Amino acid sequence: GDSVTQMEGPVTLSEEAFLTINCTYTATGYPSLFWYVQYPGEGLQLLLKATKADDKGSNKGFEATYRKETTSFHLEKGSVQVSDSAVYFCARNDYKLSFGAGTTVTVRA
Amino acid sequence: GAGVSQTPSNKVTEKGKYVELRCDPISGHTALYWYRQSLGQGPEFLIYFQGTGAADDSGLPNDRFFAVRPEGSVSTLKIQRTERGDSAVYLCASSLSQGEAYGYTFGSGTRLTVV
Repeated sequence: GDSVTQMEGPVTLSEEAFLTINCTYTATGYPSLFWYVQYPGEGLQLLLKATKADDKGSNKGFEATYRKETTSFHLEKGSVQVSDSAVYFCARNDYKLSFGAGTTVTVRA
Repeated sequence: GAGVSQTPSNKVTEKGKYVELRCDPISGHTALYWYRQSLGQGPEFLIYFQGTGAADDSGLPNDRFFAVRPEGSVSTLKIQRTERGDSAVYLCASSLSQGEAYGYTFGSGTRLTVV
């Protein structure tokens, strides 16, 4: 069936390091793709999205590009901060969201 | 309200009991979704309402789970004869219409613990 696979964690980084979280999807058609973030003790928040091939979503210094040829939507940030410590979820959408398992990111000062 | 409200925020119940979890979506949002998030996992789809009707209930794990949305706004997820494996965070989300272009807003969830 259709699914989302994302890089397993946990990931631990130092401040100002480069972050990449890989995400690939399988789907029929061309779903919209999302990254959601869950900060400690908080609910799920939309981080960024892309609705068609080659679209780039961006927010808070994070970016992800919808790559149809590789069925990927990798999340990147050039210089992470301690406040970026959270769990990140990749998701695809037809009429409902299907989530990956989540990647826990810890940024140390 | 300004966001999606879920009550209670925490619920502890004994195995075999019945529980109800409530979701109050953003006013005017016609689409409402229930998800379940177990520890260390991503949210799993349970059921989706468009208006008052359940458009897709394929994620409900078994017939102990049921959800209603009688007036097209507030929804209640009902779990009968609870089991320890039902322990999880139950998330509700709403959307202006059917998903994607309008985005989804999630509530903070109800943490259900079955002892």
